[in-house]
Amino acid sequence: DTGVSQDPRHKITKRGQNVTFRCDPISEHNRLYWYRQTLGQGPEFLTYFQNEAQLEKSRLLSDRFSAERPKGSFSTLEIQRTEQGDSAMYLCASSLAGGLSLTNEQFFGPGTRLTVL
Amino acid sequence: AQKVTQAQTEISVVEKEDVTLDCVYETRDTTYYLFWYKQPPSGELVFLIRRNSFDEQNEISGRYSWNFQKSTSSFNFTITASQVVDSAVYFCALSEINSGNTPLVFGKGTRLSVIA
Repeated sequence: DTGVSQDPRHKITKRGQNVTFRCDPISEHNRLYWYRQTLGQGPEFLTYFQNEAQLEKSRLLSDRFSAERPKGSFSTLEIQRTEQGDSAMYLCASSLAGGLSLTNEQFFGPGTRLTVL
Repeated sequence: AQKVTQAQTEISVVEKEDVTLDCVYETRDTTYYLFWYKQPPSGELVFLIRRNSFDEQNEISGRYSWNFQKSTSSFNFTITASQVVDSAVYFCALSEINSGNTPLVFGKGTRLSVIA
């Protein structure tokens, strides 16, 4: 059974560069979530998808952040013109929702640690 | 507004001691889920338990037990006979259902250190 995977696991970039992260959810899961976790804090919700539809994006931190899930399978999170304050762990989670499944049990990937120099 | 408070930032116990991690939540929804996740040093969040707002029965799973009390808006987690492998950061989280706010709202976490 394959869990949630994320790529890359670590990314170091210079301020002003664009970065893109990928998340592959558990195959039968229709919901995919992105969170950000900074040191000493709990994960903070950014956005989520049900299949290919982005249901909530108002929590994205700025217009430099965008996410896609074009075919309802994997998703990408892009940060444009990175700033030092973007340094954090970016976590992806997936869940199965709809029908009789209302549990919203989310399974997390290992995260992508971003360092902006 | 949804909020989860974990007042204990760090706890240290000696192996085999029991330890309780506190979680207090705020929500206006009548239907919601509460969760506990473990984040070991490797960094990956591991799901431990989900409890829905209609079920106030306490739950036990091995050395772990959870006490859900709606009257005090608390969902506390107890580890019995702690072990070194229990050392991790533990997060309590809330997900509202009525309002459709299914994304998780996390507390700041409690770092547990179990000393041999």
